[in-house]
Amino acid sequence: GAVVSQHPSRVICKSGTSVKIECRSLDFQATTMFWYRQFPKKSLMLMATSNEGSKATYEQGVEKDKFLINHASLTLSTLTVTSAHPEDSSFYICSARTGGAGTEAFFGQGTRLTVV
Amino acid sequence: SQQGEEDPQALSIQEGENATMNCSYKTSINNLQWYRQNSGRGLVHLILIRSNEREKHSGRLRVTLDTSKKSSSLLITASRAADTASYFCAEGGGATNKLIFGTGTLLAVQP
Repeated sequence: GAVVSQHPSRVICKSGTSVKIECRSLDFQATTMFWYRQFPKKSLMLMATSNEGSKATYEQGVEKDKFLINHASLTLSTLTVTSAHPEDSSFYICSARTGGAGTEAFFGQGTRLTVV
Repeated sequence: SQQGEEDPQALSIQEGENATMNCSYKTSINNLQWYRQNSGRGLVHLILIRSNEREKHSGRLRVTLDTSKKSSSLLITASRAADTASYFCAEGGGATNKLIFGTGTLLAVQP
């Protein structure tokens, strides 16, 4: 199947700093990528939908100024957590589709963010 | 909440037994997908069933879909210890083109 690479897998940062997470589709072009957040033993909560060359669409309750999403190319989307706080500590996962709504999504390995 | 619900939240069975997980979704779907997640890892796609399909098989997996009840079930036959993981259904497509996940079922298969 298609491969989505997410980096870094783990990151620890200090409160007030910013952290960038990268999501790359390695062997296909992804016009749409999705960013999810997952709390321990919970399901995935969709944060935003990232479309190549345009602004991301954020879900209700997600601060777009805090979670900056950039989808600069058909193979790369980034999520930047700005001015991180301990409550931002979580597992962040990206996914990318090979096609439209009727196709399966492929997921990155996830990033464990810890803000101290 | 955007999420559908899965039932049961947790399931513990013995190796060799069958495991059934149920999913109730909320939107008008294009498709319903099932994913597996090992602890602290990314998700692996298991199977996709389209809204005009009622049943689908893949190896030891059997998925059913009832659009009138907005529900789906995942059956894993002859379970193995390696099947231990969290399983999520996800509503795909529809008007929003998003992939919305259910609450998940944590399956533990005892050797």
